[in-house]
Amino acid sequence: GESVGLHLPTLSVQEGDNSIINCAYSNSASDYFIWYKQESGKGPQFIIDIRSNMDKRQGQRVTVLLNKTVKHLSLQIAATQPGDSAVYFCAENGHDYKLSFGAGTTVTVRA
Amino acid sequence: SQTIHQWPATLVQPVGSPLSLECTVEGTSNPNLYWYRQAAGRGLQLLFYSVGIGQISSEVPQNLSASRPQDRQFILSSKKLLLSDSGFYLCAWSVGTANSNQPQHFGDGTRLSIL
Repeated sequence: GESVGLHLPTLSVQEGDNSIINCAYSNSASDYFIWYKQESGKGPQFIIDIRSNMDKRQGQRVTVLLNKTVKHLSLQIAATQPGDSAVYFCAENGHDYKLSFGAGTTVTVRA
Repeated sequence: SQTIHQWPATLVQPVGSPLSLECTVEGTSNPNLYWYRQAAGRGLQLLFYSVGIGQISSEVPQNLSASRPQDRQFILSSKKLLLSDSGFYLCAWSVGTANSNQPQHFGDGTRLSIL
């Protein structure tokens, strides 16, 4: 079946270092991907998206990379800050306006 | 700009009681609307989605129902809550177009505890 998953459930990173969060997807027909950040007790917050006609997209301190050959998506956060501590979800578009979400990676920033 | 509101933020209900959670969106017309449930430490499970007034699609068989009485209002209901209905309920919206390449934007959720 189709699924979206994350390579690691947790990531600990030193403040100021770069973070890389990985995501694998299995639906080769997916053509749109999103990264969300969810802080404790809040709803997921949109970070950045990418369409399948691109392999890289940059935002403020974040970069998303898409490798369609191996069906892999990653989120890079530059100069990680304490406020980046959260659960990060990748999502891919499915059928009928629906998104399929991965299980999430918990990022903890060490001071 | 668009905003989404969910209420209440937290709710404690006894088993067998009814439920009504409300979600409203402002600043957009004819949005797609979604209800998700998130178990502790888990991902998001899509429960219902709607592409228009009165149009509801159910994703999983369950003890819950959804309604969309107005364009920007989405309600999640139950006649009799079960212990297994406990969780974090999230409402989301996306731009209502035929293009499925649109992000969904989430409210801050309702924490529902069933006793």
